[in-house]
Amino acid sequence: DTGVSQDPRHKITKRGQNVTFRCDPISEHNRLYWYRQTLGQGPEFLTYFQNEAQLEKSRLLSDRFSAERPKGSFSTLEIQRTEQGDSAMYLCASSPPGGANYEQYFGPGTRLTVT
Amino acid sequence: GQSLEQPSEVTAVEGAIVQINCTYQTSGFYGLSWYQQHDGGAPTFLSYNALDGLEETGRFSSFLSRSDSYGYLLLQELQMKDSASYFCATGGNQGGKLIFGQGTELSVKP
Repeated sequence: DTGVSQDPRHKITKRGQNVTFRCDPISEHNRLYWYRQTLGQGPEFLTYFQNEAQLEKSRLLSDRFSAERPKGSFSTLEIQRTEQGDSAMYLCASSPPGGANYEQYFGPGTRLTVT
Repeated sequence: GQSLEQPSEVTAVEGAIVQINCTYQTSGFYGLSWYQQHDGGAPTFLSYNALDGLEETGRFSSFLSRSDSYGYLLLQELQMKDSASYFCATGGNQGGKLIFGQGTELSVKP
């Protein structure tokens, strides 16, 4: 059983550029979550999908952020016009249908550095 | 709003027992989870309490008191590999997100 995978693992970009990250959840998991984590802090919720439907979006997620999960499988997170404050680890997690959301399976994350 | 508070760091010696506390304030409560994260790694699920009392999973136990809005993670027979950050988390509403505490960095010394 393969775990959650994320690509790329590291991304360095210049301020003002757009970036896109991909997350592949565990294959039978219908729920997919995006979190952001900065050094010394816990993960902060960004958004959540059940199948292809985006059910919740944090107020942290400004208009520059958009996430999709077009076929209910992999998901992408795009950040437009990146700012230095966007530098963080972006974590994706998934959980299976019928299960409780308290047990989420996290991917290794994409570390974004905005210069 | 929802918030969880934990000590920022704890140090203990190999073989000892350590307790990591978590107090929470949430509007709507859906249980308390614990996650472990090694430096540079992904958070991994350890334990969950929906009801008051103690849940035991091997060397790790977790406790919840809903009346006190308080829980803790107990790690016994500490090993060097237990050095990591530990996060308490709660589901603030049905179905989706977890709200995490800021984490407790545990250092296990020989």
